[in-house]
Amino acid sequence: EVQLLDSGGDLVQPGGSLRLSCAASGFTFSDHAMSWVRQAPGKGLEWVSVISGSGTSTYYADSVKGRFIISRDKSKNTLFLQMNRLRAEDTAVYYCARLGGTYRYWYFDFWGRGTLVTVSS
Amino acid sequence: EIVLTQSPGTLSVSPGDRATLSCRASQSIGNNLAWYQQQPGQAPRLLIYGASTRATGIPDRFSGSGSGTEFTLAISSLQSEDFAVYYCQQYNNWPPRVFGQGTKVEIK
Repeated sequence: EVQLLDSGGDLVQPGGSLRLSCAASGFTFSDHAMSWVRQAPGKGLEWVSVISGSGTSTYYADSVKGRFIISRDKSKNTLFLQMNRLRAEDTAVYYCARLGGTYRYWYFDFWGRGTLVTVSS
Repeated sequence: EIVLTQSPGTLSVSPGDRATLSCRASQSIGNNLAWYQQQPGQAPRLLIYGASTRATGIPDRFSGSGSGTEFTLAISSLQSEDFAVYYCQQYNNWPPRVFGQGTKVEIK
């Protein structure tokens, strides 16, 4: 059974940093690209970042480019999102998601439960 | 950049009735469209990919159709657990923006 356990969300001050983690199990981790998707309170879904299965290719939404870094550790089957220079508008539930489909023709076939990031002073 | 527009924003339906949701793309995306369901307080769940292929475990009352720029998600007989928000997602050309703004299906 595919499982994605996302964690690391917290209350952080503007300008601060936070690292999210997503522990994956039930599938061959390196076979799948992985992604982070966020949802601000009462709003829709916003794609944040993608990393290829090998980890060699990464993509970011313009809203987070230069501030967030996605990475993965294949030895631990874990996905990360390093979030720097956080802003109030980054407040959201962050979901880890596995990508299905083929390279750059991806859809989100499994989702974690989400972890809440609140940026506030 | 491709923009997805979902309509209506809110759909009021009685249990047992049929619901039809629309997703329109600003340019052709072939059949590279997925649909997701998000129940209150929960993570989204994949329902449909390839515009019309049901994901594993999805009941056959859910069906997707369309290609190019016009897509439809139909729910044939609404059950209580189907009242939720539904999102479409294009994967023909991304990044960056991939999701529609969502359609809320509420009890009439």
